[in-house]
Amino acid sequence: EAGVAQSPRYKIIEKRQSVAFWCNPISGHATLYWYQQILGQGPKLLIQFQNNGVVDDSQLPKDRFSAERLKGVDSTLKIQPAKLEDSAVYLCASSLESTGNTIYFGEGSWLTVV
Amino acid sequence: LAKTTQPISMDSYEGQEVNITCSHNNIATNDYITWYQQFPSQGPRFIIQGYKTKVTNEVASLFIPADRKSSTLSLPRVSLSDTAVYYCLVVSGATNKLIFGTGTLLAVQP
Repeated sequence: EAGVAQSPRYKIIEKRQSVAFWCNPISGHATLYWYQQILGQGPKLLIQFQNNGVVDDSQLPKDRFSAERLKGVDSTLKIQPAKLEDSAVYLCASSLESTGNTIYFGEGSWLTVV
Repeated sequence: LAKTTQPISMDSYEGQEVNITCSHNNIATNDYITWYQQFPSQGPRFIIQGYKTKVTNEVASLFIPADRKSSTLSLPRVSLSDTAVYYCLVVSGATNKLIFGTGTLLAVQP
């Protein structure tokens, strides 16, 4: 079974530029998550989707971050404009449903803002 | 969600059994406990989850006492490749949301 796919794997941008990350969850998984992991810390949930609807985006810095999952499958996370403190790994994860199911993570997209 | 507390780091030697204990005093009735493993440059990987008593799979065992205020992840006969960060999480049965702490860095030496 294919896992959670993410791209790009690595990205370096200058501050104030924009960047987008793409995620393809495991086939059939209704719930999709984006996490941000800063070096040395545990992942922090940014946003959770159930199909194409947002379940929780309370930790998403909405002035610069946006995410969508228009058709309930793939998702895109965008940062515009980027700040130095956005340097982190952006992890996408998915689960079959929103309750009681194992959550599977992708390899992550590494962002460095210079 | 219940906050978890676990040791920041642990050391072990190859072939030993490692037990990592996590406390979660405020766990709610519908919450369950799950453990993830993370290697450098990779996303977290699910190890095991449970609600109470003991759960065992091909990788690890999870012991949860009756009061569910703590849990212990047991890794039998660790090898160098088990060096990783291990996260203990309490997951809400209602939202399936994972809230990560800082985890335990397990260093396995030869």
